[in-house]
Amino acid sequence: DIQMTQSPSSVSASVGDRVTITCRASQGIKWLIWYQQKPGKAPNLLIYGASSLQSGGPSRFSGSGSGTDFGTDFTLTISSLQPEDFATYYCQQADRLPLTFGGGTRVEIK
Amino acid sequence: EVQLVESGGGLVQPGGSLRLSCAASTFTFSSYWMSWVRQAPGKGLEWVANINQDGSAIYYVDSVKGRFTISRDNAKSSLYLQMHGLRAEDTAVYYCARDSSGDRSAWYYFDYWGQGTLVTVSS
Repeated sequence: DIQMTQSPSSVSASVGDRVTITCRASQGIKWLIWYQQKPGKAPNLLIYGASSLQSGGPSRFSGSGSGTDFGTDFTLTISSLQPEDFATYYCQQADRLPLTFGGGTRVEIK
Repeated sequence: EVQLVESGGGLVQPGGSLRLSCAASTFTFSSYWMSWVRQAPGKGLEWVANINQDGSAIYYVDSVKGRFTISRDNAKSSLYLQMHGLRAEDTAVYYCARDSSGDRSAWYYFDYWGQGTLVTVSS
């Protein structure tokens, strides 16, 4: 199985800050997905294919990583944190079954 | 707007059984792969199982193989998860989720999720 490791597990930040979350795969993958989850709610698709913003997603969210090649290190960046962005973020590999998720990164208010 | 509504969760004793349902609406259910994903209280997400459009391809995470069965009824636009031999570690909110691909092949990520149904396994 492909193991997904996120860091940090939590981050405290202020409105307007730039926040970067890292996701590392235990083997090379191409399809890295990012979700946002707010307390008591279902996850919401943010980024697919490592860097493509889901329709309707705010442009302050961006993803980077392998591009067209297989890679192991990916990042999610929030360019200017907004109040509605305080949530937990999960990465997921979509290359092969079983599908696996990172442990999550909680973005908290400083 | 796509809607996925889960039901069937509840409290069950270890070793017991439960059947979860997910009612889909406002999209062509029969065109999509579907999955169950669970989340233990205060923990992260775990993919459980998926099924293709006609039920001919089904996959499970190892921890539920032989105990859980995913199925679907396209005429009723419904997805199911039959769970037997439940364990304390199966306690979680169970989400049904739609695969982003509307094609024959799955893309293995999820653009719509239900609100979840809580399964608690405890004596």
